[in-house]
Amino acid sequence: GQSLEQPSEVTAVEGAIVQINCTYQTSGFYGLSWYQQHDGGAPTFLSYNALDGLEETGRFSSFLSRSDSYGYLLLQELQMKDSASYFCAVRDMLTGGGNKLTFGTGTQLKVEL
Amino acid sequence: NAGVTQTPKFQVLKTGQSMTLQCAQDMNHEYMSWYRQDPGMGLRLIHYSVGAGITDQGEVPNGYNVSRSTTEDFPLRLLSAAPSQTSVYFCASAYTLPGEQFFGPGTRLTVL
Repeated sequence: GQSLEQPSEVTAVEGAIVQINCTYQTSGFYGLSWYQQHDGGAPTFLSYNALDGLEETGRFSSFLSRSDSYGYLLLQELQMKDSASYFCAVRDMLTGGGNKLTFGTGTQLKVEL
Repeated sequence: NAGVTQTPKFQVLKTGQSMTLQCAQDMNHEYMSWYRQDPGMGLRLIHYSVGAGITDQGEVPNGYNVSRSTTEDFPLRLLSAAPSQTSVYFCASAYTLPGEQFFGPGTRLTVL
């Protein structure tokens, strides 16, 4: 099976940089995704990493180290609207032919003035 | 494009009742999935489909049935509702994994 660990809550101030970590255990890793969910809303896709390294998309970046079974989401120039829950998710090629995503329990980010 | 639509938005059921949660997408996506989300927890996969006529179980399939007769529609049926099925249900679609999954707005279900 798969398991993912994320911090339950992170607090940061507006304009700062915050890093949300995700460690995973899976038998057939095939990529790490990140989703954002505002209170009462639906999850929205942020990024996907299949290979080691940093992927940058605007203020958000995502990093993966397959040898360490670890990834993180980096949010720069934090804005109040970034207050949300962030979920990492892994795709496991050995379960369901790679057609299942397993989500972490999420990290609630609070951005303060 | 409407994206992924779900109906109803809210539903209250009594224990033992059955119902169908509707999900439709207009993006011609092959992959569709159903998740449930409980307070303080992530999304747990109930069932998924990789194309019309093909469905498979996810992490928590018990008490739920699905079918995929068309590319567009992927209804979720609760056979005999139980209080443990009180949750928020999200439907999602993707062209294929690992591509971006697009989520519907969710159905908030309460079983009394």
